[in-house]
Amino acid sequence: DTGVSQNPRHKITKRGQNVTFRCDPISEHNRLYWYRQTLGQGPEFLTYFQNEAQLEKSRLLSDRFSAERPKGSFSTLEIQRTEQGDSAMYLCASSFGDVGIANYGYTFGSGTRLTVV
Amino acid sequence: GIQVEQSPPDLILQEGANSTLRCNFSDSVNNLQWFHQNPWGQLINLFYIPSGTKQNGRLSATTVATERYSLLYISSSQTTDSGVYFCAVERHAGGTSYGKLTFGQGTILTVHP
Repeated sequence: DTGVSQNPRHKITKRGQNVTFRCDPISEHNRLYWYRQTLGQGPEFLTYFQNEAQLEKSRLLSDRFSAERPKGSFSTLEIQRTEQGDSAMYLCASSFGDVGIANYGYTFGSGTRLTVV
Repeated sequence: GIQVEQSPPDLILQEGANSTLRCNFSDSVNNLQWFHQNPWGQLINLFYIPSGTKQNGRLSATTVATERYSLLYISSSQTTDSGVYFCAVERHAGGTSYGKLTFGQGTILTVHP
């Protein structure tokens, strides 16, 4: 397994455009997370999937943000009508866990750096 | 929500020196992890350590859950240890952990040759 893969690595877009990022988790992991990291800060939780179900969304995730995980495999994060404040590193992570089973194997991807100009 | 504070914010060392990084958290936690973020942005898990002490080579970590802090020790530091070290905690209601992490602001470590 090659770990958690994110594409693209970098994205520069004009304000107002839509962008979509992709995350391919470790194949045996059932949980997938999106985080956002701005310069000088730690990552902030955005949303979480268990298999294909999106079970929690942070208040940071405005209506312009949407995430999907069809068939419980890869995930996409879309930002509509981008704003300069959306510029950040978007990180994806995956793990395995279930009711009564401790989460393990927490692995991050290398991230997608978004710059909105 | 839970607050996570790390200290010091910056640390500069000569190669071979030892260091201790601290993480304080504001409430009881179900899990705690230490991560290293390298200069290319990759976050690498170092330890799962909700309590007790673990060692992995030159690194060790101790979490005192009752006093709400964790320490990361780096011995005989090398230039490749440079980067940002994050503490991240998980606090969940009920019995099910789902892995939502709250991160501290990090400690920026620079090791000079």
